Amino acid sequence: SQQGEEDPQALSIQEGENATMNCSYKTSINNLQWYRQNSGRGLVHLILIRSNEREKHSGRLRVTLDTSKKSSSLLITASRAADTASYFCATDAARGSTLGRLYFGRGTQLTVWP
Amino acid sequence: IAGITQAPTSQILAAGRRMTLRCTQDMRHNAMYWYRQDLGLGLRLIHYSNTAGTTGKGEVPDGYSVSRANTDDFPLTLASAVPSQTSVYFCASSERAGGYYNEQFFGPGTRLTVL
Repeated sequence: SQQGEEDPQALSIQEGENATMNCSYKTSINNLQWYRQNSGRGLVHLILIRSNEREKHSGRLRVTLDTSKKSSSLLITASRAADTASYFCATDAARGSTLGRLYFGRGTQLTVWP
Repeated sequence: IAGITQAPTSQILAAGRRMTLRCTQDMRHNAMYWYRQDLGLGLRLIHYSNTAGTTGKGEVPDGYSVSRANTDDFPLTLASAVPSQTSVYFCASSERAGGYYNEQFFGPGTRLTVL
């Protein structure tokens, strides 16, 4: 399976602190994506990083990708209570008929306390 | 612009009944997907369609069927519902550009309970 696996499963921090979540995967990819899901809602795309990129920023989000270690990290700086959600990494297949399909991990539940 | 919509929002269904979950997108994306989300298991792909007229099986296709008659609609049918199909179902779509599929856009989900 190519499923991404997030670590930790749960993370609890205070507002203003940084939150770091990690993702590991098993096979070659075209890109890795991070999604956020608020309780009872659908997933919302946060950021996409391609296999030839090493770091990407979007507002308070910073994503890194290490293809040699088959791992990625998502950093949320200066976290807010509104960042409380589940965060998922998703990888695609680098080749073959499964192009376009995403494989999701089980997610990290982030809780940010005011 | 609505994006991607799903209906119904929730449904309680007796085992053995037939049920179709509806999904419509107005972004003209060529690819669409159905996932189920269960506690502790994350999202699992049921079926997908890379373009109108074609469909493919995902990780957990048994008991489900799909059709893609046009670009916008991608209904998911449970022919004879069983309690293990109790789950939250998400539809998603994405666009292919430059040989790569980009981010997926998700609907709000359908919460299905099979008794």
